[in-house]
Amino acid sequence: GAVVSQHPSWVICKSGTSVKIECRSLDFQATTMFWYRQFPKQSLMLMATSNEGSKATYEQGVEKDKFLINHASLTLSTLTVTSAHPEDSSFYICSARDLRTFQETQYFGPGTRLLVL
Amino acid sequence: RKEVEQDPGPFNVPEGATVAFNCTYSNSASQSFFWYRQDCRKEPKLLMSVYSSGNEDGRFTAQLNRASQYISLLIRDSKLSDSATYLCVVVSEGGFKTIFGAGTRLFVKA
Repeated sequence: GAVVSQHPSWVICKSGTSVKIECRSLDFQATTMFWYRQFPKQSLMLMATSNEGSKATYEQGVEKDKFLINHASLTLSTLTVTSAHPEDSSFYICSARDLRTFQETQYFGPGTRLLVL
Repeated sequence: RKEVEQDPGPFNVPEGATVAFNCTYSNSASQSFFWYRQDCRKEPKLLMSVYSSGNEDGRFTAQLNRASQYISLLIRDSKLSDSATYLCVVVSEGGFKTIFGAGTRLFVKA
């Protein structure tokens, strides 16, 4: 199956720091990438959907100025958590799909654990 | 009402047991359906697609009932390694909208 990577896998930072997470599709072109957040023992929560070359669409309640998403190429999307605070500590997971192939399967990256002190 | 609903469980079953998970969805125009598996502290991984004609992969069988807007996953001869959270996924709006269920936790015990 398709492979999606995320970097870094772990981040520990001080409050107020900005953190950038990268999501790459390694063997396919991702027209669409999704960013999710998952708190312990809770379900995945979609934060935003990004299409290559256009602005991301954010879910209700997700601050677009807080969570900056860039999808500049068909293989790379980045999520920047600006001025991170302890309540932003979570498991951030990206997924990718290629809408052009009519394959509706989403392939997930391994996730990034963020801990804000 | 949630767009995709699952019984959260947990389901606690002995090895060798057969267990069934159910999922209902509210959008009758939904077009594609999947089951994903998520292990603790890991990302979700595709388990199988779900078709009206049924889909079987080894010990796993998935079924779709469009009239009832209902999806099922059957696991036969449960293994310890089947312990995980199983996520029901529904795709609609021409593939542009994907909704994940909250997941059903399964614990298989020796």
